[in-house]
Amino acid sequence: ETGVTQSPTHLIKTRGQQVTLRCSSQSGHNTVSWYQQALGQGPQFIFQYYREEENGRGNFPPRFSGLQFPNYSSELNVNALELDDSALYLCASSSDYYNEQFFGPGTRLTVL
Amino acid sequence: GDSVTQMEGPVTLSEEAFLTINCTYTATGYPSLFWYVQYPGEGLQLLLKATKADDKGSNKGFEATYRKETTSFHLEKGSVQVSDSAVYFCALNTGNQFYFGTGTSLTVIP
Repeated sequence: ETGVTQSPTHLIKTRGQQVTLRCSSQSGHNTVSWYQQALGQGPQFIFQYYREEENGRGNFPPRFSGLQFPNYSSELNVNALELDDSALYLCASSSDYYNEQFFGPGTRLTVL
Repeated sequence: GDSVTQMEGPVTLSEEAFLTINCTYTATGYPSLFWYVQYPGEGLQLLLKATKADDKGSNKGFEATYRKETTSFHLEKGSVQVSDSAVYFCALNTGNQFYFGTGTSLTVIP
């Protein structure tokens, strides 16, 4: 059974650019959630996708958007990058939206 | 709004000491509660969970009981080991929103 994978591992962008992060969910999981984790902080919930529909959203601006595909993999898109967007972005999948989540290793985004 | 408040660290204990990490929550409805652990250089892993009041989650010697009357989900272990050194996160799931605490760093010294 393959766990949650994320790509890329690291990414460096400049302010104002756009970025796309990718996540493959664990086999059999239909729910994907995205988090932003700043250094020394807990993960902050960005949004969740359940069966290709957005199922919940945290306190993040609209320039953070996402997609979930029919195979339940997912993308996180961030437009107009700001310096404060520098963080570890975590993806987690679960077998349903109320079940425990399994996390990927994360993508480290640095905005210069 | 919904939130999780977690005991601040860092916490340093000697091997075989008793561990408590406090976690309280604010939520409407009936959330599920979780403890996640992040070992050095690794990703977040589920440690234990409880889905309703009075449930006790347990794993690897760790326990936590879902207390609705005190809105708490404190993590405990009777005898910690050096290998338990990690960052511990309390979290709640309201069904379409997840909230994590800020994390508590635990270091266990021999």
